[in-house]
Amino acid sequence: EAGVAQSPRYKIIEKRQSVAFWCNPISGHATLYWYQQILGQGPKLLIQFQNNGVVDDSQLPKDRFSAERLKGVDSTLKIQPAKLEDSAVYLCASSRQTVSYEQYFGPGTRLTVT
Amino acid sequence: SQQGEEDPQALSIQEGENATMNCSYKTSINNLQWYRQNSGRGLVHLILIRSNEREKHSGRLRVTLDTSKKSSSLLITASRAADTASYFCATEPGSARQLTFGSGTQLTVLP
Repeated sequence: EAGVAQSPRYKIIEKRQSVAFWCNPISGHATLYWYQQILGQGPKLLIQFQNNGVVDDSQLPKDRFSAERLKGVDSTLKIQPAKLEDSAVYLCASSRQTVSYEQYFGPGTRLTVT
Repeated sequence: SQQGEEDPQALSIQEGENATMNCSYKTSINNLQWYRQNSGRGLVHLILIRSNEREKHSGRLRVTLDTSKKSSSLLITASRAADTASYFCATEPGSARQLTFGSGTQLTVLP
């Protein structure tokens, strides 16, 4: 089966600009996750979708970050406006059902904010 | 906040040796998972162990779970240079429906 797809792979923007990331999960996976991974740290969950509904967005900085999952399939994560501390790798993952199943990760988008 | 913490932060061994990484966590869990991340890549799932299990094997990997000590270990036997990567434990706390990752162990296997 095809893996989790993400684009772009790399993005460099200036602070206060906006950026969007796209994710296409594995076909049939109901749950989709966005993580932020800062260099040298483990991934931190930003938002979790079950089909097209939000299950958990408690760690999403809602003043600047937004995410949606269209028709329960693809998802986009947007940052507007970006700050220097947003420089990180943004990982998308999916799983068959709830979090009690293994997650399949995409390659990530490396964001650099200058 | 970090739920799971790996130890050591970095480990360097010779090819053919065994590598052991430990994970400690703070609250009760439903399950614990181990993931591998090669440099510049996404994470790859290795093993999931549920709270009622004590040990699981997968190829050269052995994971143990001690819920009384709130700790887990990952053993890689007969290591290879290709095992060089960061290894993360991730816990699903009993009260939350999300995975919380530790900061990882960087394993380097020298040829």
